[in-house]
Order: sequence, then C-alpha cells, then structure tokens
Amino acid sequence: DTGVSQDPRHKITKRGQNVTFRCDPISEHNRLYWYRQTLGQGPEFLTYFQNEAQLEKSRLLSDRFSAERPKGSFSTLEIQRTEQGDSAMYLCASRAPGAMNTEAFFGQGTRLTVV
Amino acid sequence: EDQVTQSPEALRLQEGESSSLNCSYTVSGLRGLFWYRQDPGKGPEFLFTLYSAGEEKEKERLKATLTKKESFLHITAPKPEDSATYLCAVQYSGGSNYKLTFGKGTLLTVNP
Repeated sequence: DTGVSQDPRHKITKRGQNVTFRCDPISEHNRLYWYRQTLGQGPEFLTYFQNEAQLEKSRLLSDRFSAERPKGSFSTLEIQRTEQGDSAMYLCASRAPGAMNTEAFFGQGTRLTVV
Repeated sequence: EDQVTQSPEALRLQEGESSSLNCSYTVSGLRGLFWYRQDPGKGPEFLFTLYSAGEEKEKERLKATLTKKESFLHITAPKPEDSATYLCAVQYSGGSNYKLTFGKGTLLTVNP
C-alpha cells in the first residue's frame, strides 16, 4: 500500500470550465475527507465520507462543488464553472475504521490553477 | 476568533539550535491534537497525535507535548532537512465529530 493517491497532481483550467479530481484512499480506510488549502493557510475542511455516505459538508462547499464516493472506495471532487477563487491545493485524507480520533493520512494533493 | 493559533508564523534557526513551536487552542472537549509536517507543494505528513494533557511523544529530533490549552513541538538540534511548515490540528467534540481544524502553520527554516 502506497498511501493516499490523488490524481492529477496539477490542473490548469480556464475560468468557467469544469474539473474533476480523484482520490484513492489507503486500502480498508472507510473514512475519507476533502480539504482545500490556499497559500499561507492551513487546510480547510470541505466534506467527509464514511463508506459511501457523505456525512458532512462545509459551508465552503458551494453548489458548484460536488463530491462522491460511489462504492465506498475512491472518491471524486467536481468543481463546475470554475472561478479564479477556486485556485488552491485540494487535499484528500483517509482514516482507518475504529475510533473517530485516530490519525488521518493525506495525499499529495491536486494543485488547481484557474486562469 | 481562530480556534487554533500557531506561533511563530515563521522561525529561522541555525543547524543545531534547538527551539519550540507553539499551538494554542480555544476549543473545549478536545478529542485529539495532531501535528503534521508539510513540505512545499506536498500534502501534510502525519507526525504525532496527543489525546490528553500531560501526554508526550517523541520521534527522532521532535518531541510533542500537550497541556489543557496548548501544545509544543520541541525540535532538538535541528538539521536543514527539518525545514518545512509544521501544522497543528484539533478534533473536538463541541463541533463536528469528524473533521480536523487546522492552524495556519509555522514555517521553519534551518540554515546549515
């Protein structure tokens, strides 16, 4: 197992285009998170999945954002009609089953640039 | 008001010069405090989890401690490869039971 995998690592898109990112969590990790990080800031929570169920969404997740985890394994994050303010690093993290406060492991992130 | 505050924002050390980074939090019902290291352009790398006041954990040149209102990350005799941003995050029962709330990080630079 090589850890949390995210694809692509970098994405440049024109304003108004749709983009989709993929996250493959660590095997058997049933909990998956999406975070967004801008320069000089810590990661900010976007959404949380337990298995295939999306249990929490941040108010940062506007209606242009949608996340799925259809079979409880990989997850996708789609941004529709991208805006320049969407430029950020999008991070995925996963946690093993069990106690709610175990360590979360992050992927290397997808760097989105909207031009 | 920020729930997690890290200080200093940036710290420059000479190789071998020990120091500490601070993470203070205002949340109640702490369920865990997490330290991560982040290199430029990469995702955060897990270092430690602390669960209760008085707890300490060590890894190589790093030692993390926890009190009721803050945590310290002590760096002993740092090397240039310790240069990175160190992030602190909390999970608490007062808000979501699931997410980590991060501070803005401390950018550590260790000069040879």
